[in-house]
Parts: sequence; structure tokens; C-alpha cells
Amino acid sequence: AQSVTQLDSHVSVSEGTPVLLRCNYSSSYSPSLFWYVQHPNKGLQLLLKYTSAATLVKGINGFEAEFKKSETSFHLTKPSAHMSDAAEYFCVVSDLGNDMRFGAGTRLTVKP
Amino acid sequence: EPEVTQTPSHQVTQMGQEVILRCVPISNHLYFYWYRQILGQKVEFLVSFYNNEISEKSEIFDDQFSVERPDGSNFTLKIRSTKLEDSAMYFCASRAPDFGSYNEQFFGPGTRLTVL
Repeated sequence: AQSVTQLDSHVSVSEGTPVLLRCNYSSSYSPSLFWYVQHPNKGLQLLLKYTSAATLVKGINGFEAEFKKSETSFHLTKPSAHMSDAAEYFCVVSDLGNDMRFGAGTRLTVKP
Repeated sequence: EPEVTQTPSHQVTQMGQEVILRCVPISNHLYFYWYRQILGQKVEFLVSFYNNEISEKSEIFDDQFSVERPDGSNFTLKIRSTKLEDSAMYFCASRAPDFGSYNEQFFGPGTRLTVL
């Protein structure tokens, strides 16, 4: 069965500095991988997805992630954090188009 | 832009009561899902539904839960006899048919269920 591990429960950065949110996955197949963001009291919004095409995936709001099969990782990055990026971020894996398995989430805090 | 909608946004109920959470998936989607998120915890898969039947369910989805697509637009989650531990945010999601590549699930805004 597929699973993800988000290595940091909380990341704090200063505005304008780079963001790195780490995710490792486990899958028996060629997985599809996603990053979703959840702002307070809001639903889940898709940031980006990897579905066996290009390993470097660009998403919305300047985020990108790189699929590294040898490291079973799918880390989320952004060159320069903005105050509006403060939210909960979920790494998600899906095998064969079935249910999605969520990581525990990483809360991103952006300091002015 | 099409979106998944859920009603109500917040439901308060007494323990032991039945609740029905409603979802309207995106119109051309064929795969439907329910997830829940207990406060402060991660999002957990409950059930997936395709072609008018459950395709997969988690260990959380016991006999107290059921899903239904009563018409061509709604997708419902019923909890027969709510327990305190059912208090959570419930998310509905839908997904388009796959044509060569996997399509992501689109999530609704959630229904917050509070069981007293």
C-alpha cells in the first residue's frame, strides 16, 4: 500500500527566503504524487501534481517539486516565501488512480 | 470554473442521531470520494465510489457509514448513529475519467460535523 511521510510537522521561514517542505513516499507501483495546500478554515487546493511525465513539476503561486525515484522523494520548494503562503501543506500519493493517501501535513509559518 | 460543492458547511448533531452530508461533484466526473480530517490530524480516506458502487473503503468506513448517489448530481455520506469521535471535517472529492494520464481529485470545501 502507498504512504507518504512528511519529514517536518512545522517549518518557519522569513518572508523572501526559500521554502523547502520535505516529503518521502512509499509505493508498490509508479505513483502519482501531489501537493495540496489548506489555508485556515478553507478546503484543499491542488498546488501541483506529478503523473510520470517531467520529473520537475511547476505549480501555482511559484511552487515547484521534483520527483526523485532513487530517493523516493517529492520535496516542495519555492524560491521566495510570501506572507500569503502561510498554510498547511499536504503531500499526497496515489497508486493506480485509487484512493489518495495524505501525509500528516506541514504547517508553514512565514515571518515578516 | 467548475467546482465541488458541499452542504451544509457546518452540521451540529446529538450523539446517536443520523446525519447526511451532501456533495455535488463536478458534472463530468465519474469517481467520487469521501475523506475526513479530525481536528489537528491528517486527512484520512474513507471511501471511493464508481459506477454506482463502492470501489474501495478504509477500515474507518464501518457499518455506520454508507454512501449513495441518489440522482445524477448528488453524492451523499450517511452516518447512521453518530458518535463523539465522528466529529471532524468531511471532504468530498471527485475525479474525471483517466485518458492516458491520471487526473487529480478535486476537493470540496468540506462540512464540519460536530457531535455533542
